[in-house]
Amino acid sequence: AQKVTQAQTEISVVEKEDVTLDCVYETRDTTYYLFWYKQPPSGELVFLIRRNSFDEQNEISGRYSWNFQKSTSSFNFTITASQVVDSAVYFCALSRYNQGGKLIFGQGTELSVKP
Amino acid sequence: EAQVTQNPRYLITVTGKKLTVTCSQNMNHEYMSWYRQDPGLGLRQIYYSMNVEVTDKGDVPEGYKVSRKEKRNFPLILESPSPNQTSLYFCASSPQAGGLYEQYFGPGTRLTVT
Repeated sequence: AQKVTQAQTEISVVEKEDVTLDCVYETRDTTYYLFWYKQPPSGELVFLIRRNSFDEQNEISGRYSWNFQKSTSSFNFTITASQVVDSAVYFCALSRYNQGGKLIFGQGTELSVKP
Repeated sequence: EAQVTQNPRYLITVTGKKLTVTCSQNMNHEYMSWYRQDPGLGLRQIYYSMNVEVTDKGDVPEGYKVSRKEKRNFPLILESPSPNQTSLYFCASSPQAGGLYEQYFGPGTRLTVT
Protein backbone atom coordinates (compact mmCIF):
# COMPACT_ATOMS: atom_id res chain seq x y z
CA ALA A 1 0.00 0.00 0.00
CA GLN A 2 1.04 3.56 -0.60
CA LYS A 3 1.39 5.89 2.33
CA VAL A 4 2.89 9.26 3.20
CA THR A 5 3.88 10.10 6.75
CA GLN A 6 4.60 13.53 8.08
CA ALA A 7 5.48 12.83 11.67
CA GLN A 8 5.69 16.46 12.70
CA THR A 9 2.18 17.68 13.34
CA GLU A 10 3.17 21.18 14.41
CA ILE A 11 6.43 23.11 14.36
CA SER A 12 7.01 26.52 15.84
CA VAL A 13 10.09 28.58 15.07
CA VAL A 14 11.22 32.14 15.43
CA GLU A 15 11.75 34.22 12.34
CA LYS A 16 15.11 33.69 10.57
CA GLU A 17 15.51 30.19 11.94
CA ASP A 18 15.98 27.34 9.50
CA VAL A 19 13.36 24.60 9.65
CA THR A 20 13.09 21.16 8.06
CA LEU A 21 9.79 19.43 7.43
CA ASP A 22 10.05 15.67 7.23
CA CYS A 23 8.25 13.42 4.76
CA VAL A 24 8.56 9.65 4.58
CA TYR A 25 6.71 7.66 1.96
CA GLU A 26 5.92 4.01 1.28
CA THR A 27 5.44 2.50 -2.15
CA ARG A 28 6.47 -0.62 -4.01
CA ASP A 29 6.37 1.15 -7.34
CA THR A 30 9.61 1.94 -9.12
CA THR A 31 8.10 4.94 -10.89
CA TYR A 32 6.30 7.49 -8.77
CA TYR A 33 6.13 11.19 -8.12
CA LEU A 34 6.46 13.26 -4.98
CA PHE A 35 5.02 16.68 -4.32
CA TRP A 36 4.95 19.40 -1.73
CA TYR A 37 1.99 21.73 -1.37
CA LYS A 38 1.51 24.73 0.91
CA GLN A 39 -1.82 25.64 2.50
CA PRO A 40 -1.68 29.16 3.95
CA PRO A 41 -4.30 30.38 6.44
CA SER A 42 -6.44 31.56 3.53
CA GLY A 43 -7.02 27.88 2.72
CA GLU A 44 -5.94 27.36 -0.87
CA LEU A 45 -3.42 24.69 -1.87
CA VAL A 46 -0.30 26.02 -3.54
CA PHE A 47 2.02 23.76 -5.50
CA LEU A 48 5.67 23.99 -4.47
CA ILE A 49 7.58 21.18 -6.16
CA ARG A 50 7.29 17.89 -8.04
CA ARG A 51 9.99 15.23 -8.15
CA ASN A 52 10.00 11.92 -10.01
CA SER A 53 11.49 8.77 -8.55
CA PHE A 54 14.40 8.73 -10.97
CA ASP A 55 15.64 12.17 -10.10
CA GLU A 56 17.36 12.25 -6.73
CA GLN A 57 19.01 15.56 -7.36
CA ASN A 58 18.35 18.02 -4.59
CA GLU A 59 16.64 21.23 -5.53
CA ILE A 60 16.93 24.77 -4.26
CA SER A 61 14.52 27.55 -5.00
CA GLY A 62 15.32 30.72 -3.13
CA ARG A 63 14.93 29.99 0.58
CA TYR A 64 13.36 26.59 -0.14
CA SER A 65 15.26 23.39 -0.68
CA TRP A 66 14.29 19.76 -1.00
CA ASN A 67 16.28 16.63 -0.19
CA PHE A 68 15.09 13.45 -1.89
CA GLN A 69 16.66 10.19 -0.71
CA LYS A 70 15.28 6.96 -2.15
CA SER A 71 17.44 4.89 0.21
CA THR A 72 15.44 6.19 3.17
CA SER A 73 12.19 6.90 1.27
CA SER A 74 12.29 10.48 2.37
CA PHE A 75 11.57 13.78 0.68
CA ASN A 76 12.34 16.49 3.20
CA PHE A 77 11.70 20.19 2.81
CA THR A 78 13.89 22.90 4.35
CA ILE A 79 13.08 26.57 4.67
CA THR A 80 16.13 28.71 5.29
CA ALA A 81 15.80 31.96 7.21
CA SER A 82 12.10 31.45 7.82
CA GLN A 83 9.69 34.36 7.60
CA VAL A 84 6.28 34.98 9.12
CA VAL A 85 4.73 34.56 5.65
CA ASP A 86 5.95 30.96 5.65
CA SER A 87 3.38 30.15 8.34
CA ALA A 88 1.12 27.54 6.78
CA VAL A 89 0.30 23.87 6.67
CA TYR A 90 2.63 21.96 4.38
CA PHE A 91 1.61 18.73 2.72
CA CYS A 92 3.79 16.10 1.18
CA ALA A 93 2.07 13.89 -1.41
CA LEU A 94 2.75 10.81 -3.52
CA SER A 95 1.34 9.95 -6.95
CA ARG A 96 1.66 6.61 -8.68
CA TYR A 97 2.65 6.39 -12.33
CA ASN A 98 -0.17 4.24 -13.64
CA GLN A 99 -3.00 4.80 -11.19
CA GLY A 100 -4.76 7.83 -12.54
CA GLY A 101 -3.63 11.04 -10.94
CA LYS A 102 -4.58 10.47 -7.34
CA LEU A 103 -2.45 12.33 -4.84
CA ILE A 104 -1.88 10.47 -1.60
CA PHE A 105 -1.35 13.15 0.99
CA GLY A 106 0.41 13.09 4.30
CA GLN A 107 -1.38 14.51 7.31
CA GLY A 108 0.39 17.84 6.96
CA THR A 109 2.76 19.81 9.15
CA GLU A 110 1.56 23.09 10.56
CA LEU A 111 4.44 25.56 10.62
CA SER A 112 4.18 28.66 12.75
CA VAL A 113 6.85 31.30 12.32
CA LYS A 114 6.83 33.88 15.07
CA PRO A 115 8.34 37.34 14.69
CA GLU B 1 -5.41 34.01 -15.81
CA ALA B 2 -5.10 30.23 -15.60
CA GLN B 3 -7.23 29.02 -12.75
CA VAL B 4 -9.63 26.54 -11.24
CA THR B 5 -12.78 28.11 -9.87
CA GLN B 6 -15.27 26.64 -7.44
CA ASN B 7 -18.70 27.84 -6.42
CA PRO B 8 -19.96 28.43 -3.89
CA ARG B 9 -17.00 29.11 -1.61
CA TYR B 10 -19.08 28.69 1.51
CA LEU B 11 -22.35 26.84 1.96
CA ILE B 12 -24.49 25.96 4.96
CA THR B 13 -27.31 23.58 4.21
CA VAL B 14 -29.62 21.09 5.88
CA THR B 15 -29.64 17.34 5.79
CA GLY B 16 -31.23 15.92 2.66
CA LYS B 17 -31.32 19.05 0.53
CA LYS B 18 -29.62 18.31 -2.77
CA LEU B 19 -26.74 20.56 -3.70
CA THR B 20 -24.14 20.98 -6.41
CA VAL B 21 -20.66 22.41 -6.08
CA THR B 22 -19.39 23.61 -9.41
CA CYS B 23 -15.82 23.38 -10.63
CA SER B 24 -14.45 24.93 -13.78
CA GLN B 25 -10.95 25.20 -15.24
CA ASN B 26 -9.75 27.35 -18.12
CA MET B 27 -6.52 25.51 -18.90
CA ASN B 28 -7.90 22.86 -21.28
CA HIS B 29 -6.87 20.16 -18.83
CA GLU B 30 -7.92 16.57 -19.43
CA TYR B 31 -7.79 15.41 -15.82
CA MET B 32 -9.99 16.70 -13.02
CA SER B 33 -10.55 15.49 -9.50
CA TRP B 34 -12.36 16.20 -6.23
CA TYR B 35 -10.86 15.94 -2.75
CA ARG B 36 -12.22 16.51 0.69
CA GLN B 37 -10.14 17.71 3.62
CA ASP B 38 -11.02 16.78 7.18
CA PRO B 39 -9.11 17.37 10.44
CA GLY B 40 -7.09 14.33 11.35
CA LEU B 41 -7.87 12.59 8.06
CA GLY B 42 -6.05 14.87 5.65
CA LEU B 43 -7.04 15.14 2.00
CA ARG B 44 -8.80 12.24 0.34
CA GLN B 45 -9.90 11.79 -3.24
CA ILE B 46 -13.64 11.52 -3.87
CA TYR B 47 -13.90 11.13 -7.65
CA TYR B 48 -11.77 11.79 -10.65
CA SER B 49 -12.15 12.14 -14.40
CA MET B 50 -9.48 11.15 -16.90
CA ASN B 51 -11.26 13.01 -19.69
CA VAL B 52 -14.73 13.94 -20.92
CA GLU B 53 -17.35 11.29 -20.17
CA VAL B 54 -14.85 9.16 -18.21
CA THR B 55 -15.13 9.30 -14.43
CA ASP B 56 -14.21 6.91 -11.66
CA LYS B 57 -14.37 6.57 -7.91
CA GLY B 58 -11.64 7.70 -5.60
CA ASP B 59 -11.20 6.61 -2.02
CA VAL B 60 -14.37 8.11 -0.49
CA PRO B 61 -17.09 8.25 -3.16
CA GLU B 62 -20.10 7.31 -1.00
CA GLY B 63 -22.78 9.97 -1.02
CA TYR B 64 -21.38 11.85 -4.02
CA LYS B 65 -21.96 11.95 -7.74
CA VAL B 66 -20.06 13.66 -10.53
CA SER B 67 -20.43 14.25 -14.23
CA ARG B 68 -18.05 15.40 -16.94
CA LYS B 69 -20.03 16.52 -19.94
CA GLU B 70 -17.59 19.23 -20.94
CA LYS B 71 -13.83 19.31 -20.58
CA ARG B 72 -13.81 22.46 -18.47
CA ASN B 73 -16.51 21.54 -15.90
CA PHE B 74 -16.63 18.86 -13.23
CA PRO B 75 -19.48 19.43 -10.78
CA LEU B 76 -19.78 17.56 -7.50
CA ILE B 77 -23.31 16.56 -6.59
CA LEU B 78 -24.59 15.66 -3.14
CA GLU B 79 -28.02 14.12 -3.68
CA SER B 80 -28.90 13.88 0.01
CA PRO B 81 -26.26 15.58 2.13
CA SER B 82 -25.62 14.35 5.63
CA PRO B 83 -23.68 15.94 8.52
CA ASN B 84 -20.71 13.64 7.91
CA GLN B 85 -20.22 15.40 4.58
CA THR B 86 -19.39 18.61 6.37
CA SER B 87 -15.91 19.28 5.05
CA LEU B 88 -13.62 21.47 2.97
CA TYR B 89 -13.80 20.43 -0.67
CA PHE B 90 -11.18 21.01 -3.33
CA CYS B 91 -11.40 20.59 -7.07
CA ALA B 92 -8.16 20.01 -8.96
CA SER B 93 -7.06 19.71 -12.56
CA SER B 94 -3.95 18.78 -14.51
CA PRO B 95 -3.05 18.44 -18.20
CA GLN B 96 -3.07 14.65 -18.03
CA ALA B 97 -3.54 11.97 -15.42
CA GLY B 98 -0.54 10.60 -13.60
CA GLY B 99 2.18 12.40 -11.74
CA LEU B 100 3.96 13.92 -14.72
CA TYR B 101 2.17 17.18 -14.04
CA GLU B 102 1.30 19.18 -10.99
CA GLN B 103 -2.33 19.43 -10.05
CA TYR B 104 -3.85 22.89 -9.86
CA PHE B 105 -6.31 23.30 -7.02
CA GLY B 106 -9.34 25.50 -6.74
CA PRO B 107 -9.80 27.80 -3.74
CA GLY B 108 -11.94 25.32 -1.83
CA THR B 109 -15.59 25.11 -0.81
CA ARG B 110 -16.41 24.95 2.87
CA LEU B 111 -19.60 22.97 3.31
CA THR B 112 -21.56 22.64 6.53
CA VAL B 113 -24.50 20.23 6.70
CA THR B 114 -26.73 20.62 9.76
